[in-house]
Amino acid sequence: ETGVTQSPTHLIKTRGQQVTLRCSSQSGHNTVSWYQQALGQGPQFIFQYYREEENGRGNFPPRFSGLQFPNYSSELNVNALELDDSALYLCASSQARGAGETQYFGPGTRLLVL
Amino acid sequence: GNSVTQMEGPVTLSEEAFLTINCTYTATGYPSLFWYVQYPGEGLQLLLKATKADDKGSNKGFEATYRKETTSFHLEKGSVQVSDSAVYFCALSDKGYGQNFVFGPGTRLSVLP
Repeated sequence: ETGVTQSPTHLIKTRGQQVTLRCSSQSGHNTVSWYQQALGQGPQFIFQYYREEENGRGNFPPRFSGLQFPNYSSELNVNALELDDSALYLCASSQARGAGETQYFGPGTRLLVL
Repeated sequence: GNSVTQMEGPVTLSEEAFLTINCTYTATGYPSLFWYVQYPGEGLQLLLKATKADDKGSNKGFEATYRKETTSFHLEKGSVQVSDSAVYFCALSDKGYGQNFVFGPGTRLSVLP
């Protein structure tokens, strides 16, 4: 069984640019969530996708957007990058969207904005 | 809104010592509670979970009991090993729109031989 994978592993961008991060969910999982983890802090919920529809959003501006594809893989897009967007971006998948569902995390993409 | 509070680290223990990491939560409903662990250079891994009051989650010698009356989910292990050195995150997931996992800030544990 393949776990959650993310690409790229590291990325360097400059302020104002746009970035796309990718995530492949674990086999059999239809729900994908994205998190931002700043250095030394816990992950912050960005949004969740369930069967290609956004199913909840945290306190992030609209320049953070996403997609989920028919195979349940997902993208996170960030426009107009700011220095504070530098963080580890984590993708997690789960079998369903219920509160008790375990989320399985990928290794993350580390983004540095200069 | 929902929130999770954890004891501040870092926590440094000697091998075979007893571990407690405190976690308390605030939630409007009846959340599910989780402990995740992040080893150096790796992503988060589920350690244990409990989905209703008085449930005890356990895994790899770690335990935590869902206490609704004290809104707590403290992590314990009777005898820690050097390999337990990691950052531990307490988290909740509330019913409703978006599942909305809320994580605590994490507690770094270092176990010395």
